[in-house]
Amino acid sequence: GAVVSQHPSWVICKSGTSVKIECRSLDFQATTMFWYRQFPKQSLMLMATSNEGSKATYEQGVEKDKFLINHASLTLSTLTVTSAHPEDSSFYICSAQSGQGRSNQPQHFGDGTRLSIL
Amino acid sequence: AQKVTQAQTEISVVEKEDVTLDCVYETRDTTYYLFWYKQPPSGELVFLIRRNSFDEQNEISGRYSWNFQKSTSSFNFTITASQVVDSAVYFCALSEATYNTDKLIFGTGTRLQVFP
Repeated sequence: GAVVSQHPSWVICKSGTSVKIECRSLDFQATTMFWYRQFPKQSLMLMATSNEGSKATYEQGVEKDKFLINHASLTLSTLTVTSAHPEDSSFYICSAQSGQGRSNQPQHFGDGTRLSIL
Repeated sequence: AQKVTQAQTEISVVEKEDVTLDCVYETRDTTYYLFWYKQPPSGELVFLIRRNSFDEQNEISGRYSWNFQKSTSSFNFTITASQVVDSAVYFCALSEATYNTDKLIFGTGTRLQVFP
């Protein structure tokens, strides 16, 4: 149980392109989803937290107009990197959690999306 | 401020050796959760354990064991009789107390290489 599917797993595209990454909870309802970014050999940095039906909460330093997050249903959240540039190249990972607030449920992570902008 | 420190950047061992990965945390919360995740070369994060701050019992799961000591703010992870498949980056994480969500603060990770 607690499977999170992330798609696509790998994207290579030209500078200026917008890229959409999907995160789906397959066997549970994800009230909260999280988006992380990981540079090579570094830790995961939280970008934003999204609760179903409401606007995402972005971490300090993360441009909300650059990284658009939509959490329209209890099983799907999307991250769109708008007008991507080479510095946006990174490994993006989503996680999903059932329950809300200080829940007892752990975050379950997707397999990540490796984004390379040429 | 909440912080997680994994002082060991890389550890190399030979198969069948025991290895302990250290994790030290800082928090002002009285209620919090600690986690360990495994990230193999393929990139996905695999959940290993969650421990709440009121449960200091050590836990064993097969070859894995965890030692939680509030007195030293540590949550160390030991792999007994390591195997090549244990090679991965291991992250320790702390849940941050916000009023409505469980934000995870990750350590910088420890890269474990197990050689045959």
